[in-house]
Amino acid sequence: QLQLQESGPGLVKPSETLSLTCTVSGGSISSSSYYWGWIRQPPGKGLEWIGSIYYTGRTYNNPSLKSRVTTSLDTSKNQFSLKLTSATAADTAVYYCVVVGATAFDYWGQGVLVTVSS
Amino acid sequence: DIQMTQSPSSLSASVGDRVTITCQASQDVSNNLNWYQQKPGKAPKLLIYDASNLERGVPSRFSGSGSGTDFTFTISSLQPEDIGTYYCQQYANVLPYTFGQGTKVEI
Repeated sequence: QLQLQESGPGLVKPSETLSLTCTVSGGSISSSSYYWGWIRQPPGKGLEWIGSIYYTGRTYNNPSLKSRVTTSLDTSKNQFSLKLTSATAADTAVYYCVVVGATAFDYWGQGVLVTVSS
Repeated sequence: DIQMTQSPSSLSASVGDRVTITCQASQDVSNNLNWYQQKPGKAPKLLIYDASNLERGVPSRFSGSGSGTDFTFTISSLQPEDIGTYYCQQYANVLPYTFGQGTKVEI
């Protein structure tokens, strides 16, 4: 079974770039069976899809985040990453990496809290 | 964006009760609708996919129905371990994928 683990700084200063990595075990990110994605949840609030990436490098992002989001793959480490530029307090959230199956977010990492504050 | 509206926002029920949550989409999403359970402090977990299909390993007391814009999620006999927040999510061919605001279930 696929397992995911997020890692990255828990504190980011405003205007800086939020960077997270997801390490995948139990399967290969080069698999054509899945997309790999990111979802976030502000404290006490609901869920927001950020974006997804396929093994080919093709990406789909939430238009609300416009050009601030970059997702990428590192096949040598079996990892995928998220970069969110120009961070503000509104980006404070628990960030989850997910396996995107044919029709659903099949597996989730445990999540990592990122706080944007000076 | 397709807006997903869940009702109620929260509910309190007794063990053994039948619990029903509704989810309405702002436009037709066919059967492209999933349900997730989030227990306190944990990541969400997929329970129902494609509106009515039970994910492997999920107890049969959970079920889903509907298509188009109106969907229903049911717990046939509420158990203590079912407390948490439930979310619907659409994946129609219109980005972004969106979630309902959640329904908190308490006992």
